[in-house]
Amino acid sequence: AQSVTQLGSHVSVSEGALVLLRCNYSSSVPPYLFWYVQYPNQGLQLLLKYTTGATLVKGINGFEAEFKKSETSFHLTKPSAHMSDAAEYFCAVSPGSTPGNMLTFGGGTRLMVKP
Amino acid sequence: DTGVSQNPRHKITKRGQNVTFRCDPISEHNRLYWYRQTLGQGPEFLTYFQNEAQLEKSRLLSDRFSAERPKGSFSTLEIQRTEQGDSAMYLCASSLAGRDEAFFGQGTRLTVV
Repeated sequence: AQSVTQLGSHVSVSEGALVLLRCNYSSSVPPYLFWYVQYPNQGLQLLLKYTTGATLVKGINGFEAEFKKSETSFHLTKPSAHMSDAAEYFCAVSPGSTPGNMLTFGGGTRLMVKP
Repeated sequence: DTGVSQNPRHKITKRGQNVTFRCDPISEHNRLYWYRQTLGQGPEFLTYFQNEAQLEKSRLLSDRFSAERPKGSFSTLEIQRTEQGDSAMYLCASSLAGRDEAFFGQGTRLTVV
């Protein structure tokens, strides 16, 4: 079984400031981990993913995340926030190579960017 | 546009009515997933198909819900005797077996009044 906890349902940063969105997971098998972004009334867009290999993964729009097995974490960061980053962000886990790869999502973090 | 397409985008229905949503996946994708997202929450898995076979169903999928993918291409999700608690965004996603990335459609927002 998998679960995801996103600490902080709302995060507010100033434009140009560091973005840090936290995600902790639990999984009974080696997990695949994902970050998705959702703009209002839209579907989900994949930002980045970790499956195997390098633990620091880079995604679109300048985002990156680091898989830390010892901490069961997969926090999302961006060095400098832009107004267009304001959106809802979801961390998700799937049971690795298990057929089906259904995603279990966290509750989401709404990122607000102040000018 | 070769992405995942969902229709309709919005549906308002009266309690007790039946509704049906359609999802057209990316053409070469053999896996198709349905998720439900209520306001302020993350999406929750409902069911998944590989080709035309429905291989997994969540306990969230009550007897009033049925999903089909008759020819292994598009899929429909029907909700019978809708209840106010069914109000949510219904998201469809598709992927290739053996590939880890799922692509999501824009969703169908259902409002039951």
